[in-house]
Amino acid sequence: EDQVTQSPEALRLQEGESSSLNCSYTVSGLRGLFWYRQDPGKGPEFLFTLYSAGEEKEKERLKATLTKKESFLHITAPKPEDSATYLCAVRGSNYKLTFGKGTLLTVNP
Amino acid sequence: ETGVTQTPRHLVMGMTNKKSLKCEQHLGHNAMYWYKQSAKKPLELMFVYSLEERVENNSVPSRFSPECPNSSHLFLHLHTLQPEDSALYLCASSQDLTSGRTDTQYFGPGTRLTVL
Repeated sequence: EDQVTQSPEALRLQEGESSSLNCSYTVSGLRGLFWYRQDPGKGPEFLFTLYSAGEEKEKERLKATLTKKESFLHITAPKPEDSATYLCAVRGSNYKLTFGKGTLLTVNP
Repeated sequence: ETGVTQTPRHLVMGMTNKKSLKCEQHLGHNAMYWYKQSAKKPLELMFVYSLEERVENNSVPSRFSPECPNSSHLFLHLHTLQPEDSALYLCASSQDLTSGRTDTQYFGPGTRLTVL
């Protein structure tokens, strides 16, 4: 059974204080690791897909990396508008996504 | 309209009511999904449709009944719900169902359902 564990559950940062979110996974035959951002009361917004270990993707202040066991979402010099819940999901040998519980990020001005 | 839309955005219903949630995708995708999101729990996959055929019914109680009349529209019919069914119901779509680089799922804004 595929599993995804995200840590920490919650993270509070000061504006400009860089940090990383972790997504550890076990999956039979990784076919993709997905990062989403979710604002309160809204649907998840797609950020990145990573397909193989060593792959990296960037978007503004966010950078996602992937190893064979985990993925990191690095946030550089965050701003208050980066506050959200960040979700990680993996896709294994079938079409289903297995999601983690998410990391609630709060960036204080 | 662009992306994936859902209506209504909020719904309050009694346990004896019958209501329906609607999802429409404007992305030309072939696969559509229903998820349930409860507090402190990961997203739970409920139903999956590919080219209007149901390919997944993830042990969902029969009080939830999906319908997919065409590849752009997806409904979730609700009846005799329980208070524990209160949650955010999310619709998603992807280009295809089979794994590959066209499998990214795009989500709608969700329907916040409260069962009294």
